[in-house]
Amino acid sequence: QSVLTQPPSVSGAPGQRVTISCTGSSSNIGAGYDVHWYQQLPGTAPKLLIYGNSNRPSGVPDRFSGSKSGTSASLAITGLQAEDEADYYCQSYDSSLSGAWVFGGGTKLTVL
Amino acid sequence: QLQLQESGPGLVKPSETLSLTCTVSGGSISSSSYYWGWIRQPPGKGLEWIGSIYYSGSTYYNPSLKSRVTISVDTSKNQFSLKLSSVTAADTAVYYCASMVRGVIIGPYMDVWGKGTTVTVSS
Repeated sequence: QSVLTQPPSVSGAPGQRVTISCTGSSSNIGAGYDVHWYQQLPGTAPKLLIYGNSNRPSGVPDRFSGSKSGTSASLAITGLQAEDEADYYCQSYDSSLSGAWVFGGGTKLTVL
Repeated sequence: QLQLQESGPGLVKPSETLSLTCTVSGGSISSSSYYWGWIRQPPGKGLEWIGSIYYSGSTYYNPSLKSRVTISVDTSKNQFSLKLSSVTAADTAVYYCASMVRGVIIGPYMDVWGKGTTVTVSS
């Protein structure tokens, strides 16, 4: 059971908009810790997609955006494309116990 | 442009110690801008942070693995290493190393990942 909760799967047709939620608690997202997002294409290493809640690294299309509010964060993908089909993970820091960097359980995005 | 490469045995026997090394190129492991981390992914499952190290030697471990994990850094070789003791089949996974940006304002995030190495625990 992950400290950060993501839906196991989401889907959308090409051109549509989808969102992926990442729900935490008062010891991680709610405590003000930043949320970062990673994209993992099949058979490859994860790639940084969004950092610091809403910042895109160079080279990441502006179709990808992130937001954070309260104890949750969201990743939005607009103009869905076939190559967006991948697993997406949120990541933050949790101050409970001895502290740790934590990941969400991951969300499989299927482009219909 | 930072690049990271994992290396080590692909097969480890139960109860033995898993040892992996990550070689950093294109930058210095002694940079104050980074932590250096290990993350693993069991087959068909999600990502799990194992631990991280700063070039000074300060370490940070996942509480669930802390009793079995040791991460060290060798600045002369621009490498950092992972040792995981008393392994079982549950430790079978793809192991990734990653650079973690140590921002002033933004919390640490993993900006560059190695390609990963598969470690199987089996007799």
